[in-house]
Amino acid sequence: DTAVSQTPKYLVTQMGNDKSIKCEQNLGHDTMYWYKQDSKKFLKIMFSYNNKELIINETVPNRFSPKSPDKAHLNLHINSLELGDSAVYFCASRGPLNTEAFFGQGTRLTVV
Amino acid sequence: QKEVEQNSGPLSVPEGAIASLNCTYSDRGSQSFFWYRQYSGKSPELIMSIYSNGDKEDGRFTAQLNKASQYVSLLIRDSQPSDSATYLCAVYTGGFKTIFGAGTRLFVKA
Repeated sequence: DTAVSQTPKYLVTQMGNDKSIKCEQNLGHDTMYWYKQDSKKFLKIMFSYNNKELIINETVPNRFSPKSPDKAHLNLHINSLELGDSAVYFCASRGPLNTEAFFGQGTRLTVV
Repeated sequence: QKEVEQNSGPLSVPEGAIASLNCTYSDRGSQSFFWYRQYSGKSPELIMSIYSNGDKEDGRFTAQLNKASQYVSLLIRDSQPSDSATYLCAVYTGGFKTIFGAGTRLFVKA
């Protein structure tokens, strides 16, 4: 009964590969996010979706393509992975806009 | 200029002391303010939220907000070794956007 769950937890892959991360929330929230956290712990917003519609795209390379089949799911597909993509990726969801976000457990992506 | 700024630390305090964590933000229109705690290898978890000027207390934690100075702080009283973590300040600026600071690492020495 995890509120925000994402899979996989760890992902190790070679440069140039394509990979996906899945996220699901059972909180009934309308808004979902992808954040990237680098080695310095800086948590940077990548995308925001509201009711399956893309709201925010923070100048992320177009190798990153989010997809929201319904408002409970937000997946992230990454093409042609690069070394600099190595980070922890967090999915999050939010109810009313001025309230807190709830985070998934994170996916540690390592590109070798 | 970074939109949410925090001292990266590390901040080291002895057990039982008060830990004071500070955060400034640049967008005067910001509406909601949050403090998250993140243990190493874990996801951020909410500690406190604050929406209006003044103090808000919850157990050993007190959040303080001063919108005129664009300043948010978190006080942790009677600090425990289990409070050792990175504390992230987050600001909801509107338009579905919540911006995080880079975090302050706190060490509580037993």
